[in-house]
Amino acid sequence: SQTIHQWPATLVQPVGSPLSLECTVEGTSNPNLYWYRQAAGRGLQLLFYSVGIGQISSEVPQNLSASRPQDRQFILSSKKLLLSDSGFYLCAWSVLLGPNNEQFFGPGTRLTVL
Amino acid sequence: GENVEQHPSTLSVQEGDSAVIKCTYSDSASNYFPWYKQELGKRPQLIIDIRSNVGEKKDQRIAVTLNKTAKHFSLHITETQPEDSAVYFCAAPRSSNDYKLSFGAGTTVTVRA
Repeated sequence: SQTIHQWPATLVQPVGSPLSLECTVEGTSNPNLYWYRQAAGRGLQLLFYSVGIGQISSEVPQNLSASRPQDRQFILSSKKLLLSDSGFYLCAWSVLLGPNNEQFFGPGTRLTVL
Repeated sequence: GENVEQHPSTLSVQEGDSAVIKCTYSDSASNYFPWYKQELGKRPQLIIDIRSNVGEKKDQRIAVTLNKTAKHFSLHITETQPEDSAVYFCAAPRSSNDYKLSFGAGTTVTVRA
């Protein structure tokens, strides 16, 4: 069966510090991968998505970047965190087929920028 | 692209009563409509989905109905229990050829004991 991991689970970082969040998927090949951010009490904002190694698409201009160095690894990064980067970051995957496919979410990373 | 609107934003129901959440979408070609449940501090998890070739789907106490003519779909929870308290999100594909989803803003459901 497929599983998705994220780490760390929680993170407290000072403003201006770098960030690296990691997501890995097991049990599937060539998944679509997604990074979402969820601000407190809010909905899901798609940040990045990827259809293959090295292929990253950004949804909104922001202080973050993403990379996919391996088929089942997706990394979210920042060189200098802002207060507004605080939130719950969710990685998700779906099967690389058509549009009618479930997205499965990882356990999330709760980031607090102070 | 797809625009998904979800109502209400909050819903409080007495235990045992029913809860209904409605979502509207804009792209008439959309044909996949999932519902996710997110408990406090946890990840969203798919609880039910419906594809456009059916009008209703049930799974125990939850059901989803789809009205393609009116472009809306609804989540129905019957005989609500305290563990149904959570945030519920609807979603639809961004476009007919897009694997990305547009999510509704979410409905916070509170079941009063």
